[in-house]
Amino acid sequence: DIQMTQSPASLSASLGETVTIECRASEDIYNGLAWYQQKPGKSPQLLIYNANSLHTGVPSRFSGSGSGTQYSLKINSLQSEDVASYFCQQYYDYRTFGGGTKLELK
Amino acid sequence: QVKLLQSGAELVKPGASVKLSCKTSGFTFSTSYMSWLKQVPGPSIEWIGWIYAGDGGTNYNQKFKGKATLTVDKSSSTAYMDLSSLTSEDAAVYFCARMNGGYPYYFDYWGQGVMVTVSS
Repeated sequence: DIQMTQSPASLSASLGETVTIECRASEDIYNGLAWYQQKPGKSPQLLIYNANSLHTGVPSRFSGSGSGTQYSLKINSLQSEDVASYFCQQYYDYRTFGGGTKLELK
Repeated sequence: QVKLLQSGAELVKPGASVKLSCKTSGFTFSTSYMSWLKQVPGPSIEWIGWIYAGDGGTNYNQKFKGKATLTVDKSSSTAYMDLSSLTSEDAAVYFCARMNGGYPYYFDYWGQGVMVTVSS
């Protein structure tokens, strides 16, 4: 199985700040990566697919990048509604998720 | 718009089975792949498997073979998951999700989730 390791596990940032979350795969996943946002008590929502394609309706302050085994999610100009947990998911081989990153406001 | 409405919370005795439902609307169910996922506090998410509503074909995570059985009812655009021989390890929130169009890679719309509690 491909293992997905996210970092950091949690982070605290200020409104308007730029935040970056990393995801490392245990082997090359050839850009087969999605990012999700999950607010407390809610279901995950798709943000990014194919490593860097924005899902319909997702604000442009979210962006994805990376290749090979290293990927990242960037949130520009952090808003209060971005407080959530974020998960990466690979789909090169079966479907596995990272352990999540909990984003809080400083 | 795409909607996935899951059945309510379940309290199940150890050793029993439970059937979860996911009623969909707003898209063509019969040509869609539907998945089920498990989330435990941690908060890790595991993919259980998918089913193609067109012909009922399935693909399971090896870990959940024998534990989960996925079915669909095309007439009501509803996906189902049976969980058998429940133990405390099966207590979790379970989500249904529609997979992206074409080959199923990621999960583009999710149900609200249902909590399954296993207790005598």
